[in-house]
Amino acid sequence: DAGITQSPRHKVTETGTPVTLRCHQTENHRYMYWYRQDPGHGLRLIHYSYGVKDTDKGEVSDGYSVSRSKTEDFLLTLESATSSQTSVYFCAIRDRGNTGELFFGEGSRLTVL
Amino acid sequence: AQSVTQLGSHVSVSEGALVLLRCNYSSSVPPYLFWYVQYPNQGLQLLLKYTTGATLVKGINGFEAEFKKSETSFHLTKPSAHMSDAAEYFCAVSDQAAGNKLTFGGGTRVLVKP
Repeated sequence: DAGITQSPRHKVTETGTPVTLRCHQTENHRYMYWYRQDPGHGLRLIHYSYGVKDTDKGEVSDGYSVSRSKTEDFLLTLESATSSQTSVYFCAIRDRGNTGELFFGEGSRLTVL
Repeated sequence: AQSVTQLGSHVSVSEGALVLLRCNYSSSVPPYLFWYVQYPNQGLQLLLKYTTGATLVKGINGFEAEFKKSETSFHLTKPSAHMSDAAEYFCAVSDQAAGNKLTFGGGTRVLVKP
């Protein structure tokens, strides 16, 4: 158990509304990641963080922002949700070794109507 | 940039039969390679990984994978499928030139027939 909690686990919202997903970890890991999972695309990196207030974009960052004000929390925000952002979102933390191995949360299923 | 290709988005096998899931990657430097499994409504769990050393890697639940540098492949096998192996499997590559971020393949969903 890597001590990762995502909230909410399920959310239905309407187009144009803001949405924030939270990832909480208890293991004091430096690196945290947000991925989205869509059929046929596997997992695609949205944003990641390499420390408090240190974040960077992934391959599908448009329409998303992140914040990390504490080591244990990494927030993903959709400022104005669109139907194309309907997806399952996974938070992950990186193992302390140098291989890049990730531990994943249980996922947050977001539906934008 | 790295890319990972998993051949076949869906694979159907009979219980007791060989499971073979294919993964090819592009990389200009020797990568770290991973296979993850995802059961319904769950997150991803690590099955096995290759970092250095022996190219045949054994993982959990009887799975193994072989790193073949000349073929840029990391195929996953299990000699005898169980019903519990029904899940989605993801191959991933760590890009050492980009801070060891993981790039994932599109996934292969395995159906096990009785």
